[in-house]
Amino acid sequence: EDQVTQSPEALRLQEGESSSLNCSYTVSGLRGLFWYRQDPGKGPEFLFTLYSAGEEKEKERLKATLTKKESFLHITAPKPEDSATYLCAVQGPSTGFQKLVFGTGTRLLVSP
Amino acid sequence: GAGVSQSPRYKVAKRGQDVALRCDPISGHVSLFWYQQALGQGPEFLTYFQNEAQLDKSGLPSDRFFAERPEGSVSTLKIQRTQQEDSAVYLCASSLVIRDTQYFGPGTRLTVL
Repeated sequence: EDQVTQSPEALRLQEGESSSLNCSYTVSGLRGLFWYRQDPGKGPEFLFTLYSAGEEKEKERLKATLTKKESFLHITAPKPEDSATYLCAVQGPSTGFQKLVFGTGTRLLVSP
Repeated sequence: GAGVSQSPRYKVAKRGQDVALRCDPISGHVSLFWYQQALGQGPEFLTYFQNEAQLDKSGLPSDRFFAERPEGSVSTLKIQRTQQEDSAVYLCASSLVIRDTQYFGPGTRLTVL
């Protein structure tokens, strides 16, 4: 069964204090690993898709990386508006390459 | 362009009532998914449509849950005889084609009293 574990559960940073969020996964034949951002009362907002180990993608202050066992979301010099819950999800053959299996998320709070 | 929309945004139901939740996917998107998100948890898969065909309903928690997409566009998730454990946010997502990126709507928060 595909599994996704995210850590830490919650992270509090000062504005400008860089850090990383972790997503460990167990899936045979990973098709894709997805990062979403979710603000309170809203649906998940798509950030990145990573397909193979070694791949990296960047968007503003965010950078996602992928290995064979885990993915990291690096946040460089965060701002208060980066505060949100960050969700990681995988898609693989056991899910028919269709549905996403999500972790429980990391709640990030960035203080000014 | 317009994203995925869901209605109502909030629904309060008394235990035992039937509810219907609507999802309007992004225009032209073939695939449509329903997820359930409990407080403090990640979304969990309920069911999936490709056009009007329901190809996977393995995540529906009981036979009280029913979903349809009769014309391959708008979808409705129906919950019969609601129970307190059905309280959650119900998210709809659509993708252009199978295996493509899924884009989520804002969700419907269901509270069963």
